[in-house]
Amino acid sequence: EAEVAQSPRYKITEKSQAVAFWCDPISGHATLYWYRQILGQGPELLVQFQDESVVDDSQLPKDRFSAERLKGVDSTLKIQPAELGDSAMYLCASSLDGANTDTQYFGPGTRLTVL
Amino acid sequence: AQSVAQPEDQVNVAEGNPLTVKCTYSVSGNPYLFWYVQYPNRGLQFLLKYITGDNLVKGSYGFEAEFNKSQTSFHLKKPSALVSDSALYFCAVRDPRVGANNLFFGTGTRLTVIP
Repeated sequence: EAEVAQSPRYKITEKSQAVAFWCDPISGHATLYWYRQILGQGPELLVQFQDESVVDDSQLPKDRFSAERLKGVDSTLKIQPAELGDSAMYLCASSLDGANTDTQYFGPGTRLTVL
Repeated sequence: AQSVAQPEDQVNVAEGNPLTVKCTYSVSGNPYLFWYVQYPNRGLQFLLKYITGDNLVKGSYGFEAEFNKSQTSFHLKKPSALVSDSALYFCAVRDPRVGANNLFFGTGTRLTVIP
């Protein structure tokens, strides 16, 4: 069964450092999402791509976060500089074509700890 | 605005007994509703969704959910709980009239099945 791949699974960094997370969606999925899940809460969307284009980044803190999906396949989410409040699970998801009936399939996530 | 409420942070049930995890939603139009399950340090796994049609939706691992428009609810159920069902369960809603198709998640319900 095809799965969304994410790396690393765990990342510990000090505040003010830069971090990057990678996501490889299910093959053939045109839509890719990055979510942030703070402990004890549900995931919240950071950014949504349709192929290589950003569809929604209204909740992305653009002063420190950036995301790209240059070839419309895998994606990288970067934080620079990291802050203590960024400690969370970062989840990547993909769906077939972005239709609003689509099911989103999630990867295992990257747990970020900022010291 | 879209929102989801999971009124119970924790649900305990004995193995073999039926289980219910509650979810209520708020959207202006007809909702699309989803249930996901999350195991420790893992991403979210899709269980089932309601788009249209039969109000009773059957999903993975013997779970089902019933869409009740008058009560704006989408409770998750299983006739006989297994210890392996112990996990964190998230309900999510999407308003199909909104352009971006991101999901709005509840805060989650931790299900513990007692042997």
